[in-house]
Amino acid sequence: DAMVIQNPRYQVTQFGKPVTLSCSQTLNHNVMYWYQQKSSQAPKLLFHYYDKDFNNEADTPDNFQSRRPNTSFCFLDIRSPGLGDAAMYLCATSMRRQETQYFGPGTRLLVL
Amino acid sequence: RKEVEQDPGPFNVPEGATVAFNCTYSNSASQSFFWYRQDCRKEPKLLMSVYSSGNEDGRFTAQLNRASQYISLLIRDSKLSDSATYLCVVTPGGGSSNTGKLIFGQGTTLQVKP
Repeated sequence: DAMVIQNPRYQVTQFGKPVTLSCSQTLNHNVMYWYQQKSSQAPKLLFHYYDKDFNNEADTPDNFQSRRPNTSFCFLDIRSPGLGDAAMYLCATSMRRQETQYFGPGTRLLVL
Repeated sequence: RKEVEQDPGPFNVPEGATVAFNCTYSNSASQSFFWYRQDCRKEPKLLMSVYSSGNEDGRFTAQLNRASQYISLLIRDSKLSDSATYLCVVTPGGGSSNTGKLIFGQGTTLQVKP
């Protein structure tokens, strides 16, 4: 059974049109992470939640926001997608910060 | 300088070959070390953790040299199914803000051929 679920798997949006990516988990983990991975590059952490505590990476653009309404769900909002935001967005969870992270299958975003 | 550096490859090897991947990291305070595997267009999956004493899991052996800030992965008797990108991953030290953060290398691509 899938433990970290991301929807949709593929998302096409228009330049400047807000888009929301979804992540849910059945592991009851405290920590949820969002990574961006561009083609042939390493995944890069955007931000993470430890429970309700939001931790933004210093170099994450303001265009990227996140919400975690409850333990199971976490959303990535891109307010005004640019062509450079086309990437795979990976959600991961862990019980505590230093423990193994489990990744979802990712959402591949295309910006037209 | 990148925090985690790997030779991107690709490494093209025949089945049954032994192949070694290397990785260096820049932050001497780094705390934990891993190898992840990522198949094409899929998510990364943990392959193994890396310890100073070295650790082995079947055909896979990982080593850490803290003095040289160097991590290695050895794959013996390569299988076709080993074809993937291998990501070297480090958790940085330096305070609670970095706790749990994973720093990924660019990855090394392995192609095992019949």
